[in-house]
Amino acid sequence: GNSVTQMEGPVTLSEEAFLTINCTYTATGYPSLFWYVQYPGEGLQLLLKATKADDKGSNKGFEATYRKETTSFHLEKGSVQVSDSAVYFCALSESNTGKLIFGQGTTLQVKP
Amino acid sequence: GAGVSQSPSNKVTEKGKDVELRCDPISGHTALYWYRQSLGQGLEFLIYFQGNSAPDKSGLPSDRFSAERTGGSVSTLTIQRTQQEDSAVYLCASSPGVAGIVYEQYFGPGTRLTVT
Repeated sequence: GNSVTQMEGPVTLSEEAFLTINCTYTATGYPSLFWYVQYPGEGLQLLLKATKADDKGSNKGFEATYRKETTSFHLEKGSVQVSDSAVYFCALSESNTGKLIFGQGTTLQVKP
Repeated sequence: GAGVSQSPSNKVTEKGKDVELRCDPISGHTALYWYRQSLGQGLEFLIYFQGNSAPDKSGLPSDRFSAERTGGSVSTLTIQRTQQEDSAVYLCASSPGVAGIVYEQYFGPGTRLTVT
């Protein structure tokens, strides 16, 4: 079946450091890929998405590229801020229903 | 406009009792999803409604769980004879939802269920 694996956290970085959170997937067909973010005390929000191979999703300085050959969708940001501290979820969307399969989540803590 | 709303925001119940969780999707959204977020299992899909089609119940963990969607809008997730392992945050999401086209899902704030 479809599945998503992302790197375990927590990830602790200093402000302005470079961020990478790895995500790989297993899927039949051609899923769309997403990164969702959950800030402390808030609900899940879509951060970025990519719907086909080689697409790059970007938002708020974050970006991720849909790599079909490596079945990956790694999240990157060049310079993190304290306000980026949150839990990040990688997910794929099954192509016929749209239901989301999530990775286990990665907690990011950015220290000033 | 209004987002997805869920009620109650918190629910504490005794083991063995039944609970009902409510979701009001964004007006006009035809697709509605329920997920569960728990410490041990992460974020799991539970059930999916699309328009008037039969729901996809493939994620429901046991027959104690059921859900309905009335009039293509409001949805209720019912858990009968609650167990401690049912303790989790139950999330509802909706999307404009046409099969085969990927739309963003908009999530509600969730209902935190605690079974004592």
